[in-house]
Amino acid sequence: EIVLTQSPGTLSLSPGERATLSCRASQSVSSNYFAWYQQKPGQAPRLLIFGASTRATGIPDRFSGSGSGTDFTLTISRLEPEDFAVYYCQQYGSSPLTFGGGTKVEIK
Amino acid sequence: EVQLVESGGGLVQPGRSLRLSCAASGFRFDDYAMHWVRQAPGKGLEWVSGISWNSDGEGYGDSVKGRFTISRDNAKNSLYLQMHSLRPEDTAFYYCVKDMRGHPGYFDNWGQGTLVTVSS
Repeated sequence: EIVLTQSPGTLSLSPGERATLSCRASQSVSSNYFAWYQQKPGQAPRLLIFGASTRATGIPDRFSGSGSGTDFTLTISRLEPEDFAVYYCQQYGSSPLTFGGGTKVEIK
Repeated sequence: EVQLVESGGGLVQPGRSLRLSCAASGFRFDDYAMHWVRQAPGKGLEWVSGISWNSDGEGYGDSVKGRFTISRDNAKNSLYLQMHSLRPEDTAFYYCVKDMRGHPGYFDNWGQGTLVTVSS
């Protein structure tokens, strides 16, 4: 099983600031089969990024994904009020599919 | 509009069984892999199981392997999760999730979830 470790656990930032979220895999993720999701309280997760760097439909371009192999990054260029949420990474390169433990982006 | 409606959750004693169902609509069900993902209250996401579009491939998380069985009925646009030997640590919201591919990958639509509580 590929274990995904997200850091930091909590990120305290102000609107307008840049957010950089990391996810490290315990082994290489094949073909960059890697996704990011956003979850707000009381809501189901929303797909942001797949294929490590492709934005899902309707996702603003302030969200970007990068990385390969074992190290992946989600960047939010300028935080909007609606971006404060929990973010999860996920690999789908091998079974079992796995999620990271999440990074909470909170208002400073 | 894609709709995924879960049912079958509830309170169950440890060691007992439960079957979850998911009714899908708004898309061509038999084109896509489907999954169950769970989330314990206040905790993170855990992939439980997934099944390919034509049921020729299925997978399970390590914590449920051997106890849970996923299945689908494309004629009824329905997904199922048969859960046996339930444990308190299986307590969670169980989400029915649509894949963006025919074989297990990443998830673009989620149901609202059904709560399974395992307790004596």
